[in-house]
Amino acid sequence: NAGVTQTPKFQVLKTGQSMTLQCAQDMNHEYMSWYRQDPGMGLRLIHYSVGAGITDQGEVPNGYNVSRSTTEDFPLRLLSAAPSQTSVYFCASSPIGASGANVLTFGAGSRLTVL
Amino acid sequence: AQTVTQSQPEMSVQEAETVTLSCTYDTSENNYYLFWYKQPPSRQMILVIRQEAYKQQNATENRFSVNFQKAAKSFSLKISDSQLGDTAMYFCAFMSLFGNEKLTFGTGTRLTVIP
Repeated sequence: NAGVTQTPKFQVLKTGQSMTLQCAQDMNHEYMSWYRQDPGMGLRLIHYSVGAGITDQGEVPNGYNVSRSTTEDFPLRLLSAAPSQTSVYFCASSPIGASGANVLTFGAGSRLTVL
Repeated sequence: AQTVTQSQPEMSVQEAETVTLSCTYDTSENNYYLFWYKQPPSRQMILVIRQEAYKQQNATENRFSVNFQKAAKSFSLKISDSQLGDTAMYFCAFMSLFGNEKLTFGTGTRLTVIP
């Protein structure tokens, strides 16, 4: 099993450019989420989804869009990148209401720099 | 809203010694989950240990154990027989039973194991 796969691992953008961070999981987890990690601030929730077709905002959603067309994929879109979005992004997933629920499996992270 | 506080930004320990990392949290809920995650230089988020608040017994995973004091809202992590591979950032995190798997993280403690 690959677990949670994030691509790309590193990306440099210019202010105003758009891009999509990809996240895929092969564990048939219903729940998927995106966090950002900034120095001295721990991880903060951006968006999450409890199943295909269902998404909701987390703590810091501004500037980001998500969609969940399949159980496996949960892409994070930056429509117009800003320097404040320079961060490390983590995708995480877990089952819901089953063994292993409430325990998130994280991807390896994607480091994004916006110039 | 829940908050998680880790008051020790950095700590160090001699190899084979024992170290305790502190974590306090604030919540009005009675049932919830608490976690310790490890983030080595590889950036991967690795679950160390999980505690269910309704269980009075402290969780243990090999050399890692917690001291869960529910009334004091304290959740410290003890690492015994420290190894060089324990060098990492350690994050304490809170999850509500009714919060859609959302994790609220502390700001982390950077632990260095000295040979």
